[in-house]
Amino acid sequence: GAVVSQHPSWVICKSGTSVKIECRSLDFQATTMFWYRQFPKQSLMLMATSNEGSKATYEQGVEKDKFLINHASLTLSTLTVTSAHPEDSSFYICSALKRLTSTDTQYFGPGTRLTVL
Amino acid sequence: ILNVEQSPQSLHVQEGDSTNFTCSFPSSNFYALHWYRWETAKSPEALFVMTLNGDEKKKGRISATLNTKEGYSYLYIKGSQPEDSATYLCARPNQGGKLIFGQGTELSVKP
Repeated sequence: GAVVSQHPSWVICKSGTSVKIECRSLDFQATTMFWYRQFPKQSLMLMATSNEGSKATYEQGVEKDKFLINHASLTLSTLTVTSAHPEDSSFYICSALKRLTSTDTQYFGPGTRLTVL
Repeated sequence: ILNVEQSPQSLHVQEGDSTNFTCSFPSSNFYALHWYRWETAKSPEALFVMTLNGDEKKKGRISATLNTKEGYSYLYIKGSQPEDSATYLCARPNQGGKLIFGQGTELSVKP
């Protein structure tokens, strides 16, 4: 397997503030990382693909100015929720893509629970 | 739109019971099916990546089968233990290679 960490594991913030979530690949270099969001009782929904050294690509309906992604190194991607509002409260989880000989596998962090008051 | 469906949504079994659940997906443009186990407060753990029709993979008491022609995969757990309690997710890459997840099956194993 592989180890991916995510920090913080939970955060509570006031409406209007910005929150940064870090995703680190601890034991392999990841040129590609993914950010997902999960609403209660729903699937993991892909928000964006984070590419090292280039701009992230966002899924349809995800505001790139709202959810800023930076992938400045091969082991770190950050997601910043800007001007957070209560509707941004959710569970955010990242994964790092490991390219294997047979097929690619994503290794996940433990997730971040964001609550916006 | 690629829809991945899992059933049942939740399952409660007694320790020692064997159990199975289903992942259904469109069979067109298939090239892989992923199974993950997600325990509370932990990272989802990759269990299997399956690519070939008729594939069967095994990891301890857990095994999975794949039917790409009819678009389903089964996950089996033999002799369930309390530590098997988790949400089991399946996911299929879309044409862009991005994983599309099912809602998961939440398994609870009572001692």
